[in-house]
Amino acid sequence: GAVVSQHPSRVICKSGTSVKIECRSLDFQATTMFWYRQFPKQSLMLMATSNEGSKATYEQGVEKDKFLINHASLTLSTLTVTSAHPEDSSFYICSARTGGAEQPQHFGDGTRLSIL
Amino acid sequence: GQNIDQPTEMTATEGAIVQINCTYQTSGFNGLFWYQQHAGEAPTFLSYNVLDGLEEKGRFSSFLSRSKGYSYLLLKELQMKDSASYLCAVGINTGGFKTIFGAGTRLFVKA
Repeated sequence: GAVVSQHPSRVICKSGTSVKIECRSLDFQATTMFWYRQFPKQSLMLMATSNEGSKATYEQGVEKDKFLINHASLTLSTLTVTSAHPEDSSFYICSARTGGAEQPQHFGDGTRLSIL
Repeated sequence: GQNIDQPTEMTATEGAIVQINCTYQTSGFNGLFWYQQHAGEAPTFLSYNVLDGLEEKGRFSSFLSRSKGYSYLLLKELQMKDSASYLCAVGINTGGFKTIFGAGTRLFVKA
């Protein structure tokens, strides 16, 4: 159980394109979903926390207008990287959690985004 | 600020025991997680400690001392497939619950 599906797994696109990444909890309802960014050999950096039906809470330094997050249902959250540029190239990972903070996060397989 | 420290890399031999340490300085502590992450893949949950002491789960055990801001992950009977990064992560409550991840310890298991 506790499967999180993230799509697409790999995106290569031109600078200026907007890219949407989906994160779905397949067999549980996710009260909270998280979006992370990870550079090679570095830690997961939390970008934002989203709860179903409410606005996402962004971490300091993360541009809300650049990284649009929608959490329309208890099983789906989306991250849209708007007008992507080469510096946005990274590994983006979503996670979902059901219940309280003591519950583990279940991670999607990540999306490797490459902007040319 | 919030800070988590763990060694960058460790090497151990197949069949041996290895201990990966983690120290943290955080406010609003709400538990400590260990995750395993193979290269190019997403992290997978290993353990959660919120009370002091040792939690054993098969070949993996995790220890927490809240007063010392210290945890370790103990891996027994190492297998080649245990070669991965091990992430120490602290749950915090600062008006909202979130998890702060350490940079991870890359473990290399050699034959």
